[in-house]
Amino acid sequence: DTAVSQTPKYLVTQMGNDKSIKCEQNLGHDTMYWYKQDSKKFLKIMFSYNNKELIINETVPNRFSPKSPDKAHLNLHINSLELGDSAVYFCASSQQVYAAGELFFGEGSRLTVL
Amino acid sequence: GENVEQHPSTLSVQEGDSAVIKCTYSDSASNYFPWYKQELGKRPQLIIDIRSNVGEKKDQRIAVTLNKTAKHFSLHITETQPEDSAVYFCAACLDGQNFVFGPGTRLSVLP
Repeated sequence: DTAVSQTPKYLVTQMGNDKSIKCEQNLGHDTMYWYKQDSKKFLKIMFSYNNKELIINETVPNRFSPKSPDKAHLNLHINSLELGDSAVYFCASSQQVYAAGELFFGEGSRLTVL
Repeated sequence: GENVEQHPSTLSVQEGDSAVIKCTYSDSASNYFPWYKQELGKRPQLIIDIRSNVGEKKDQRIAVTLNKTAKHFSLHITETQPEDSAVYFCAACLDGQNFVFGPGTRLSVLP
């Protein structure tokens, strides 16, 4: 049973298009995240939600809009895709905000912008 | 904000030798330090972690040490095996709110 699942696993699209990535966790965790991993393997946090509330919003273009309909889901919508958006996007979840717990990652969604 | 540095960026060892990866962090308030292993094409997975009230932790061939005064922590892998080859990430976190990762170390274990 997959703990953190994200879809799609692969996305290939043209510049200027809009795309969404969905994430769901069945661990009962309160906090969910989106991380971006570029070609050099750097893992950078983009957003963090706790119980549907945005708690971390790093310097990310406003073309990226997260949405958390409930605490088990955190989706990422990207408008007007650019070449530099090509990366692997990881969704993650953890149990506690004020006492750190393990971060569980999804399998990643590889986005290629042509 | 927190900044995590990690060295070396690449590391090659012979099978059976030890490997050491070092990280430093900037925010003295950080209190949780996990290490993640990422195999090619896969997700990062936790291998060991340490909290700020502990100086050392060991799990079979893997150990982590933390020096709060110097703000650095290290991963030690003994008796390395080919399946240890992967990218390893350290991270620093304050109260689970923001996991800041180091840039990663690519470990190659040569048979």
